Amino acid sequence: GEDVEQSLFLSVREGDSSVINCTYTDSSSTYLYWYKQEPGAGLQLLTYIFSNMDMKQDQRLTVLLNKKDKHLSLRIADTQTGDSAIYFCAEKPTDKLIFGTGTRLQVFP
Amino acid sequence: DAGVIQSPRHEVTEMGQEVTLRCKPISGHNSLFWYRQTMMRGLELLIYFNNNVPIDDSGMPEDRFSAKMPNASFSTLKIQPSEPRDSAVYFCASTLQRGGTGEQFFGPGTRLTVL
Repeated sequence: GEDVEQSLFLSVREGDSSVINCTYTDSSSTYLYWYKQEPGAGLQLLTYIFSNMDMKQDQRLTVLLNKKDKHLSLRIADTQTGDSAIYFCAEKPTDKLIFGTGTRLQVFP
Repeated sequence: DAGVIQSPRHEVTEMGQEVTLRCKPISGHNSLFWYRQTMMRGLELLIYFNNNVPIDDSGMPEDRFSAKMPNASFSTLKIQPSEPRDSAVYFCASTLQRGGTGEQFFGPGTRLTVL
């Protein structure tokens, strides 16, 4: 079946690293995604990783993919208050995206 | 491009009234998705269209909900009659299938309150 799971909350101190984890079930997705939702806004693509890659780095963001364990993670280095948002991971086994429940990241000073 | 456009941004209505939400996808995209987001249920896919044809409406809650896509640049989601439990934020998203990474572009959402 299609199921994507995430923890609901994460709280970190400003300047620390944040790691948001996700597990998925369908191994046929060509890409896996991280979306960010800021308060009062729609979801916006933050980054994605091709399924034949293990890691992708983009400035403060690092995505790790463990296909064997079907585990995806997003690391945000030097977390800032502007990173406070809900983060969704998603897989795309067919034409539609399967989203996780979202992880609410709270950054405190 | 202006991105995905949704209207209205906010809607307050009374139980029993008809509600129509509107969406204009990004020009050139061939798939359109309607989502609903609530605190209790998270983000739910209601229905999606490919090339203006409904493909999967299994997420539509019940017969009170209907969606149309008369052309490539416009879609509506209608609730008739509305109920308080329909209160949510409704998002429209569009994408170009098989033309890239599969990224979906979301609109700003319509916040619906049914009293």
